[in-house]
Amino acid sequence: QSVLTQPPSASGTPGQRVTISCSGSSFNLGSNTVNWYQQVPGMAPKLLIYRNNQRPSGVPDRFSGSKSGTSASLAISGLQSDDEADYYCVTWDDNLNGWVFGGGTKLTVL
Amino acid sequence: QVQLQQWGAGLLRPSETLSLTCAVYGGSFSGYYWSWVRQSPGKGLEWIGEIDHSGNTNYNPSLKSRVTISIDTSKNQFSLRLSSVTAADTAVFYCARTIATMIVHYYMDVWGKGTTVTVSS
Repeated sequence: QSVLTQPPSASGTPGQRVTISCSGSSFNLGSNTVNWYQQVPGMAPKLLIYRNNQRPSGVPDRFSGSKSGTSASLAISGLQSDDEADYYCVTWDDNLNGWVFGGGTKLTVL
Repeated sequence: QVQLQQWGAGLLRPSETLSLTCAVYGGSFSGYYWSWVRQSPGKGLEWIGEIDHSGNTNYNPSLKSRVTISIDTSKNQFSLRLSSVTAADTAVFYCARTIATMIVHYYMDVWGKGTTVTVSS
C-alpha cells in the first residue's frame, strides 16, 4: 500500500482534459512540494512536473500541476494518444525521511 | 547533458547479494544526492535510498537492514548492495540524480535506463 494515494486508472478521449489526484498527509504533501512522473511501459520514469507546478524544459504546457494542503493534482489538457502512460506523484516524507510514491495512475486515451 | 549509465548482475539466487553500479557522465557529481529506485513487475515505484557526494545516506526504513549505498567520487560512480535477496526483490532497478539540499529534497530529475534483476533458484 502506497503512502500517497492515486486512482489506479483514468481515461479520456483525444482533446479532452483529464486530472489525476494524489492524496497524502501532513508529513509528506502537507510539508513538501510534489513532483509528477510519466512512465511509458519498458522505459524509465520521466520528470513531468516538479516543485508542484514547474515544467522541465521540453514538457508541453498541456501538462500542469497544483497542490493544496495534503492533496495534489496533475492536469493534462488537449489529450493526445501518446499521453497514454502511467503517472506517479512523488514527494519527500519528513516522518519516513525518504521519498514516497503514489501507486500510479494508468491513463488510457480512448 | 548528464547521463546515468548503470550495470550489474541480472540473475541472482535467493540469499545472494545484489550489486549494482551507476556512473555519472557529462555533469557535476558533487552538490547532488544520488538515488536508487526499484519497480517490481507490474507494480509501482519504490525508493530504496540515496547518498550525497560526502557519503551521507538515507534509506527506506523497510529495506534499511539489507541496503548499503556507497559512492566513489574519483570515478563519479555510486553503488547499491542489497543483501539476502528473495524472489520479492525481483525488479527493475533505476539510479537517479536528486536535487536536494541538506534541509530540503526537491526532485529526482535524471534517471538511468534501468537494470532488470531477477531472483530465482
